[in-house]
Amino acid sequence: LAKTTQPISMDSYEGQEVNITCSHNNIATNDYITWYQQFPSQGPRFIIQGYKTKVTNEVASLFIPADRKSSTLSLPRVSLSDTAVYYCLVGDFYTGRRALTFGSGTRLQVQP
Amino acid sequence: DAGVIQSPRHEVTEMGQEVTLRCKPISGHDYLFWYRQTMMRGLELLIYFNNNVPIDDSGMPEDRFSAKMPNASFSTLKIQPSEPRDSAVYFCASSLGRTDQEQFFGPGTRLTVL
Repeated sequence: LAKTTQPISMDSYEGQEVNITCSHNNIATNDYITWYQQFPSQGPRFIIQGYKTKVTNEVASLFIPADRKSSTLSLPRVSLSDTAVYYCLVGDFYTGRRALTFGSGTRLQVQP
Repeated sequence: DAGVIQSPRHEVTEMGQEVTLRCKPISGHDYLFWYRQTMMRGLELLIYFNNNVPIDDSGMPEDRFSAKMPNASFSTLKIQPSEPRDSAVYFCASSLGRTDQEQFFGPGTRLTVL
């Protein structure tokens, strides 16, 4: 099974760019990479999904190198409200459970 | 749409009692998921349904747990009998089309078993 590894925690300051890297050495050809954000006392919320190269939306960017063994979630100019846990998921439709393994996530703390 | 609706939001019960958690997915979504979150184990998938049919229940911890989806707009997760170690936040989520598509989570039910 594709296993993901993320840093347990990260600290940043308001206005900085934050990059969270996820390792997934065993990623399969059909796997997509998905990131979720979870605030305290809430359910996770979808941020971004990608397969290769770069994906950007109004919230974040996702960088995926050619070998796809890792991916980096980039949050531009974070604010205090970006303090949350960020999860990296890897999987595809045909092996649904793998796409639904949230792991421990990365706890991001943004300071003033 | 109101999003995924879960009830109750909080449940406190005593060991041995039956607990029923309820979920209403987003209208039109064909996948429904039940998760459990604890500090020790993180966010775990318990079971998921596609078109009201259970597809994968390998995450259900034991026979005390059961889940049903009698129609496209309602699902239940039942624990009978409940134990203190079942204390957790239980989330329901729904998605459209594929298991790796964006999931929309409900607010969760915080269960405390005394």
